Amino acid sequence: DVVMTQSPLSLPVTLGQPASISCRSNQSLVYSDGNAYLNWFQQRPGQSPRRLIYKVSNRDSGVPDRFSGSGSGTDFTLKISRVEAEDVGMYYCMQGTHWPPFTFGPGTKVDIK
Amino acid sequence: QVWLVESGGGLVKPGGSLRLSCAASGFTFTDHYMSWIRQAPGKGLEWISYISSSGRYTYYAESVKGRFTISRDNAKNSLYLQMNSLTAEDTAVYYCARDGDGDHLDSWGQGSLVTVSS
Repeated sequence: DVVMTQSPLSLPVTLGQPASISCRSNQSLVYSDGNAYLNWFQQRPGQSPRRLIYKVSNRDSGVPDRFSGSGSGTDFTLKISRVEAEDVGMYYCMQGTHWPPFTFGPGTKVDIK
Repeated sequence: QVWLVESGGGLVKPGGSLRLSCAASGFTFTDHYMSWIRQAPGKGLEWISYISSSGRYTYYAESVKGRFTISRDNAKNSLYLQMNSLTAEDTAVYYCARDGDGDHLDSWGQGSLVTVSS
């Protein structure tokens, strides 16, 4: 199974400042079609997960443009250009290239300093 | 708008069984693969099962293989998870989620809590 790791696991941020979360896989996530099936999910406290980014860098409908995804191969990053209060919660990366199983990272907790 | 609504969770004794349902609306159910993902209290996300749009192909995590069965009724726009031989380690919120067109897990339900305890 593909192992996903994230860093940091906890990220205190200042409102209005940028934030960055790293996600790494133990093997390349590039599929035979050339895509890397790497998603990012946000889970606000008490809510179900919501997908933010799919295939590394594509923002889902309704996701603010302060969220961006980048990376390739085994190294990926989620960036928030200016953190807002509503961004508090857990962030998970997930690979959908080598399945089953789909595998998630351990999560990064984002909160306000 | 995509709606996924899970139901059927509750308290069950170890060794018992439970069947979860996920009612889908707002999209053409027959066009989409579907998954079940769970989240133990205070823990991260764990994918547990996947079913093709027709229901012909099913996939399971090792942690539930042989105990859980995923199925769907496309005439009723519904997804199911039959859970047998439950243990305390199966205590979690169970989410159903939809695959998009060429991507995974684009929409999630609100979840259904399953508690396995004597």
